Amino acid sequence: SQQGEEDPQALSIQEGENATMNCSYKTSINNLQWYRQNSGRGLVHLILIRSNEREKHSGRLRVTLDTSKKSSSLLITASRAADTASYFCATDLIQGAQKLVFGQGTRLTINP
Amino acid sequence: EAGVAQSPRYKIIEKRQSVAFWCNPISGHATLYWYQQILGQGPKLLIQFQNNGVVDDSQLPKDRFSAERLKGVDSTLKIQPAKLEDSAVYLCASSQSRGTSERKTQYFGPGTRLLVL
Repeated sequence: SQQGEEDPQALSIQEGENATMNCSYKTSINNLQWYRQNSGRGLVHLILIRSNEREKHSGRLRVTLDTSKKSSSLLITASRAADTASYFCATDLIQGAQKLVFGQGTRLTINP
Repeated sequence: EAGVAQSPRYKIIEKRQSVAFWCNPISGHATLYWYQQILGQGPKLLIQFQNNGVVDDSQLPKDRFSAERLKGVDSTLKIQPAKLEDSAVYLCASSQSRGTSERKTQYFGPGTRLLVL
């Protein structure tokens, strides 16, 4: 069963704009991770946020986590054509188990 | 550092045939995962190994799927017999088994795209 649900399922914006994707989950988590998948390729880890953290930054990426609402958001600022990909949130439920449960993803298209 | 290697990249078979996928993880990674990703969905964990032992295979359809990691390095995933609904991308990932959550990040291979006709 899917733990995380991303919203929206698809997003299309102009290059240079910011893109925001949301993820909701159902049960308590150890941490939440975001991955990117380019067409026809494997997943690339972007960022991890622990359950006791509220916000984290990495380059043009900003992730927030609200454990009371069981939700997270991924913000990509100043988007580029190369950001076109599918983005997945994955929840790590049990400390030490390294078992990720992925959502269905958001398909992001950056238009030049 | 070499990434996770998988082969073949593509495979087309007819239903009821058998197929095998191979994965070579990042050197030194004790934990290895196989995922199934159906088109339009996120990856679903099939099996997780720690060295050559199975940690979790709760979502592996054991009547037709099998996996092994005999020497704790390379792994193979087999489907026999294949069904139409097995058409998917099969992803292999590996990670370190010790340390912080950040150190245990999963690294994915390019995947094997399987089409069952």
